[in-house]
Amino acid sequence: NAGVTQTPKFQVLKTGQSMTLQCAQDMNHEYMSWYRQDPGMGLRLIHYSVGAGITDQGEVPNGYNVSRSTTEDFPLRLLSAAPSQTSVYFCASRFGTGVSYEQYFGPGTRLTVT
Amino acid sequence: AQSVTQPDIHITVSEGASLELRCNYSYGATPYLFWYVQSPGQGLQLLLKYFSGDTLVQGIKGFEAEFKRSQSSFNLRKPSVHWSDAAEYFCAVGGYNKLIFGAGTRLAVHP
Repeated sequence: NAGVTQTPKFQVLKTGQSMTLQCAQDMNHEYMSWYRQDPGMGLRLIHYSVGAGITDQGEVPNGYNVSRSTTEDFPLRLLSAAPSQTSVYFCASRFGTGVSYEQYFGPGTRLTVT
Repeated sequence: AQSVTQPDIHITVSEGASLELRCNYSYGATPYLFWYVQSPGQGLQLLLKYFSGDTLVQGIKGFEAEFKRSQSSFNLRKPSVHWSDAAEYFCAVGGYNKLIFGAGTRLAVHP
């Protein structure tokens, strides 16, 4: 199993540009989520999905869109990038929707918006 | 409000010394508690978790943590630190669908 994979590893955007961060998992996990990590703030939940076709907002959803058309993939879209979205983004997945299931993290995408 | 506080931003210990990383939480119901470790440039790896039962839980890499309900704490300990333990450590508390993370404690290990 590859686990949770994320592409790209690094990305530089100009303000106003759009892009999609890709996340895929091959463990048949129901639950997938996106976090952003900023210095001194830990990880904050952006969006999550409890299954194909079902998504919901986390703590910091503004400026981001998600969709879940398959169990395996959970892309994160930035429609109009802003410097405040400079961060490291982590995708995570777990087998079930409850937090008792172990959550597996991808290696992260470092995004810089200039 | 649900929150996690890790009071120590940076900690430096000597190799072979003992370690305790502090974590305090605020949560309305019985919490699920976790410790994760992040090595430089890597994703997070689960060290250990507490759901119920014995309040002293053992994890990977020789770490353990103790849940103290009266103090709303879940401190991480290791009796003898190795240089490879240098990393950032995150405490997290969870409910049904969401995990709330602390800001992290960065651990440096001196030879």
